[in-house]
Amino acid sequence: QVQLVQSGAEVKSPGASVKVSCKASGYTLTAYFMHWVRQAPGQGLEWMGRIDPNSGGTNYAQKFQGRVTMTRDTSISTAYMELSRLRSDDTAVYYCARPNSDSSGTVYYFDNWGQGTLVTVSS
Amino acid sequence: QPVLTQPPSSSASPGESARLTCTLPSDINVRSYNIYWYQQKPGSPPRYLLYYYSDSHKGQGSGVPSRFSGSKDASANTGILLISGLQSEDEADYYCMIWPSNAVVFGGGTKLTVL
Repeated sequence: QVQLVQSGAEVKSPGASVKVSCKASGYTLTAYFMHWVRQAPGQGLEWMGRIDPNSGGTNYAQKFQGRVTMTRDTSISTAYMELSRLRSDDTAVYYCARPNSDSSGTVYYFDNWGQGTLVTVSS
Repeated sequence: QPVLTQPPSSSASPGESARLTCTLPSDINVRSYNIYWYQQKPGSPPRYLLYYYSDSHKGQGSGVPSRFSGSKDASANTGILLISGLQSEDEADYYCMIWPSNAVVFGGGTKLTVL
């Protein structure tokens, strides 16, 4: 079965960078895009962007342009999300999410999620 | 990115129905989009429930009971999640989502309390 296992919690200082990993198993990493979604404490879901693990191509939400970098290492079936110039309001749980499609192949939805990685930004 | 508006909270009693709404901005026509719904309980990632485009184009997530259903109110430019026969286990946060082009947009979420 599909599993996405993320790296452990991180505590970072303002201005630092954090890199979160998402190891995929049960399928071939390059077969599906990987998305990243974050959730600040007590807040809603926020889409950050996606990577095509096959080509390495990325699309980032405008809000994170210039601060986020999504990469992958296909040899170890792992996707990464790095966020730089961290601020206190970047404190959140970060999820990787893999879309799946319906039988038509035209409708995609997120039905596979990592367990989440808590990133705390504090001085 | 567009903003999807959801009421912060809603409540209903067990056995009743809950109608959760997701209003799109006026420059985005709800008729043109699949509306996706997710359920999230504390400490867990979201769970995909369903999507709704029209009565002939909709889909249910794996293992999601049929008492969860979607619809649209085009006059209000709104997507709707209807939960019938409420159970205590339905108490959770519910998020709508659209997927325009190369971006994904979530609503702010509605906390559903089952009284």
